[in-house]
Amino acid sequence: QKEVEQNSGPLSVPEGAIASLNCTYSDRVSQSFFWYRQYSGKSPELIMSIYSNGDKEDGRFTAQLNKASQYVSLLIRDSQPSDSATYLCAVTGGATNKLIFGTGTLLAVQP
Amino acid sequence: KAGVTQTPRYLIKTRGQQVTLSCSPISGHRSVSWYQQTPGQGLQFLFEYFSETQRNKGNFPGRFSGRQFSNSRSEMNVSTLELGDSALYLCASSLEPLGGYTFGSGTRLTVV
Repeated sequence: QKEVEQNSGPLSVPEGAIASLNCTYSDRVSQSFFWYRQYSGKSPELIMSIYSNGDKEDGRFTAQLNKASQYVSLLIRDSQPSDSATYLCAVTGGATNKLIFGTGTLLAVQP
Repeated sequence: KAGVTQTPRYLIKTRGQQVTLSCSPISGHRSVSWYQQTPGQGLQFLFEYFSETQRNKGNFPGRFSGRQFSNSRSEMNVSTLELGDSALYLCASSLEPLGGYTFGSGTRLTVV
């Protein structure tokens, strides 16, 4: 079992819709959770961090964390073509004490 | 505020050679991590340094090594290069270990 799992996609959504990206992790004692966005040919860019159960909103982005289910998600409201990118989930802490990335979900927002 | 600077941007090396990659973190950031990114494996953790100490190491062979200097700049070295070492090597820095990282633009290494 991979430490951090994401559906590779592509996830295709129409412009203006809500994009929902999901991530599960295996280390039950993980403490910090991050979402990064990576455009093709560019390096990852931090867009959200979340540390406690529940929702955290920042503009059009909402991160959701459920530690009991070992699940973290990212919602993008009013999706724009400029949101088309690979979204990487990253998890830190726990037994490994490392920042471990999932392989990413490719999001394609159709105009 | 300057971002994370990695040099060089591109490198072409021959099998068996060694290479050194450099990373200058954001001013004030003391934690530096290195990742290898390939299309098949995604981002794989190499090492993490904080205040000149290696805090953690990924599952890479001993040919991969790194260090951090007193000014927080970091280098990683790969000896006896193999074709499979061709990848994008990314450096990231943060104020504290395991914090939200800012990534550099990466060094694209090609081994021929």
